[in-house]
Amino acid sequence: QKEVEQNSGPLSVPEGAIASLNCTYSDRGSQSFFWYRQYSGKSPELIMFIYSNGDKEDGRFTAQLNKASQYVSLLIRDSQPSDSATYLCAVNEGNNNDMRFGAGTRLTVKP
Amino acid sequence: DAMVIQNPRYQVTQFGKPVTLSCSQTLNHNVMYWYQQKSSQAPKLLFHYYDKDFNNEADTPDNFQSRRPNTSFCFLDIRSPGLGDAAMYLCATARLTPDEQFFGPGTRLTVL
Repeated sequence: QKEVEQNSGPLSVPEGAIASLNCTYSDRGSQSFFWYRQYSGKSPELIMFIYSNGDKEDGRFTAQLNKASQYVSLLIRDSQPSDSATYLCAVNEGNNNDMRFGAGTRLTVKP
Repeated sequence: DAMVIQNPRYQVTQFGKPVTLSCSQTLNHNVMYWYQQKSSQAPKLLFHYYDKDFNNEADTPDNFQSRRPNTSFCFLDIRSPGLGDAAMYLCATARLTPDEQFFGPGTRLTVL
């Protein structure tokens, strides 16, 4: 069974701090990795995607990918209360191109 | 604005009474997905269409069916809803597979 694992949290950080969200996956053939943010009762919205090893930065968000370790992370700098949400890691399955989601990490940013 | 629209946003049905959820998109994307998401769980892929090609997940119950009459619309039919089918149903689209997916607002289904 191919898995995408995330710490369910809750992860609590003070406003202005760096939030670090982690995700591991089991399918070595995976090629594409996505981070979605989901507010309570709402649908997921894409924050970032990453295909290559290393870091990818977009504003306050940085995605980090290490395919050898089968690990992808999301860093949120200068965290704001509005960042409080569940963050879903999604990984494409290399053999059939389906997307598999982790259960998400709930982040709370305290003012 | 290009978008993914789901109707209705909230649906209440009775145990065993068929229900249809709809999804439409103005993005002209090739791929449309249906996911089921229960509280504090990952979205679970039910099936997807790549153009007219239907792809069913192996563990999707036969109680769930889908139709895609044209590029813009996709329907989820639940033939005999059970209490365990109460969930948020998410429609998503993508240009290709794999590619970033754009989600609609979801339909929250309640089964009485």
